[in-house]
Amino acid sequence: GNSVTQMEGPVTLSEEAFLTINCTYTATGYPSLFWYVQYPGEGLQLLLKATKADDKGSNKGFEATYRKETTSFHLEKGSVQVSDSAVYFCALSDRGAGSYQLTFGKGTKLSVIP
Amino acid sequence: DVKVTQSSRYLVKRTGEKVFLECVQDMDHENMFWYRQDPGLGLRLIYFSYDVKMKEKGDIPEGYSVSREKKERFSLILESASTNQTSMYLCASSLSGTGEGYTFGSGTRLTVV
Repeated sequence: GNSVTQMEGPVTLSEEAFLTINCTYTATGYPSLFWYVQYPGEGLQLLLKATKADDKGSNKGFEATYRKETTSFHLEKGSVQVSDSAVYFCALSDRGAGSYQLTFGKGTKLSVIP
Repeated sequence: DVKVTQSSRYLVKRTGEKVFLECVQDMDHENMFWYRQDPGLGLRLIYFSYDVKMKEKGDIPEGYSVSREKKERFSLILESASTNQTSMYLCASSLSGTGEGYTFGSGTRLTVV
């Protein structure tokens, strides 16, 4: 079956530090990949997505590249801000298996300190 | 702006009560989902629906039921609330077909006392 594995948190960084949150996946078909962000007390919001190998998704300074050879979709940001403190979820949607559902990782909590 | 609206942000109910959590979307999406979110456990799928009057069990349906009488509305029902159902509940919707992802509501934090 499909699965998504994210690095365990929490992750604590100083403002302006470089961020990487690792995400690897297992899928039976040709997945689309997503990063969602959840700010405190809120629901999840789509941060970025990539639908095929070598695509790069980007938004708000965050980037992730779909790497089929390593089955990875790591989230990166060059300089984090306090306002980036949130929980980040990696997810996949597998077209090949005909599934309409997203499979989520368990989430990684990021805290950015001034 | 497209929206998924959950009727309550915070809810406190007593053990044994029947609880209704409402979710409405204005995007004409076919698919709707209910998740619960607990620390350390991530998101767990309770029920989902691909169309009006259709429902499918997710990973943890016990103690819950759902209703989808209209395309835009998907209700989660706790038949007899228990303290272990204290959680954050998230509703989401999506257009049929993959690659689009989900749109989530803001969540309902339910406390059962």
